[in-house]
Formats: sequence, structure tokens, C-alpha cells
Amino acid sequence: DSGVTQTPKHLITATGQRVTLRCSPRSGDLSVYWYQQSLDQGLQFLIHYYNGEERAKGNILERFSAQQFPDLHSELNLSSLELGDSALYFCASTAGSEQFFGPGTRLTVL
Amino acid sequence: ELKVEQNPLFLSMQEGKNYTIYCNYSTTSDRLYWYRQDPGKSLESLFVLLSNGAVKQEGRLMASLDTKARLSTLHITAAVHDLSATYFCAVGGYNYQLIWGAGTKLIIKP
Repeated sequence: DSGVTQTPKHLITATGQRVTLRCSPRSGDLSVYWYQQSLDQGLQFLIHYYNGEERAKGNILERFSAQQFPDLHSELNLSSLELGDSALYFCASTAGSEQFFGPGTRLTVL
Repeated sequence: ELKVEQNPLFLSMQEGKNYTIYCNYSTTSDRLYWYRQDPGKSLESLFVLLSNGAVKQEGRLMASLDTKARLSTLHITAAVHDLSATYFCAVGGYNYQLIWGAGTKLIIKP
């Protein structure tokens, strides 16, 4: 158990819908990273937040957005969902140079 | 743009044999990571390599880093079935985001 929690574990929804994925970092960690893992694109960095502020953006679509709240949990919002958004979404938090990953949310768009 | 290449992408081997997975990356970085992923599961941190010539070992796995050659290796000694998994290398990019290789699916046959 890495100490990073993510909810829900599974999410099934329809095209065009909007969903919110939630992540709580390890106690004391200020950073949250979001990654997407799909069969065709592999693992991709989406976005990084540090203590409530956005620090870096990767291959994140305009339909996706994220935020980090004062209690340091983070939410990834995915809207106007397409079939190709089906993937595993991981968040991670850092201790020094090491990144610890949550269990992931498996999103299926039908 | 930082790119990470792993090879081989698929490896089937017998128990007791040795083998090496290679990870090449395209631009300078001072952080190289190895992760293990079991099917449908999260990413488990194996090694973090932070300097040229770094070598780390854990059980039957040993990782090394040559920053001049931009190459890391993950060596498996006397493989056992429990090591069957997908292994990813990742390179630290700007702001600690991780840039991932495609992964090596390792199957170890009894």
C-alpha cells in the first residue's frame, strides 16, 4: 500500500458525459501528479499540482481539467467523454525523488 | 523532447535464466526510475537511480545507470515465476514529471 488513495476504482459511463476522479496523496506530501495509461498511448503524464498550484502540464486534453484543494486532495475532471478516453488513470505523490502511485481508476466509456 | 525507449517489449524466458532489459533516453536527465506493474494493478517502485554509475540491487533484480550513454539496464538473475510482470522505466523530466518507456512484458515459464 503506497498510501495514495484514489476513488472510485471503476467507472463506467457513456460518451458525452462528465466524470470526476479523486486522489488523496500520502500524508505530508504536497505534490499530486496525474497519469493516464491506455493501450494505444501507454503511460502519459497529464498534470502536476503542488500545494494547490498547477506546476506543469503534459499531454492533457482541453476537455480535461484538474485542481488541488486546500486539504491537498486532487480531482481530475473529464468532460465530453469519448471512447478513446477509456483508460487507467493514476495519481502519484512524491517523497524526495520517488513517486508513489495510487491504485488507479479504471474508466470505461461506452 | 524527452523520449524513452525500452527493449525488448516482450520477453519470454525460462526460470533460472538471466536476462537484461534496456532503457535508452534521448536527452539529459538526472533521474531514472524502474517500476513493476502486475496486470490490472498499480505501479510499484523498484529503483530510483540518481547519478552516473549508480547501481542498485534488490533480490534477483539489479538496475544500473550510465548517464553519458543515456542508458539504464534492469538485469534479472536466475529468474523465478514470481517476477512475471510488466516492467517500465521512466525518466525524470521537468518538474519531476515522469516520461515513460513502453514497458517490457516479462513472462517467466517454469
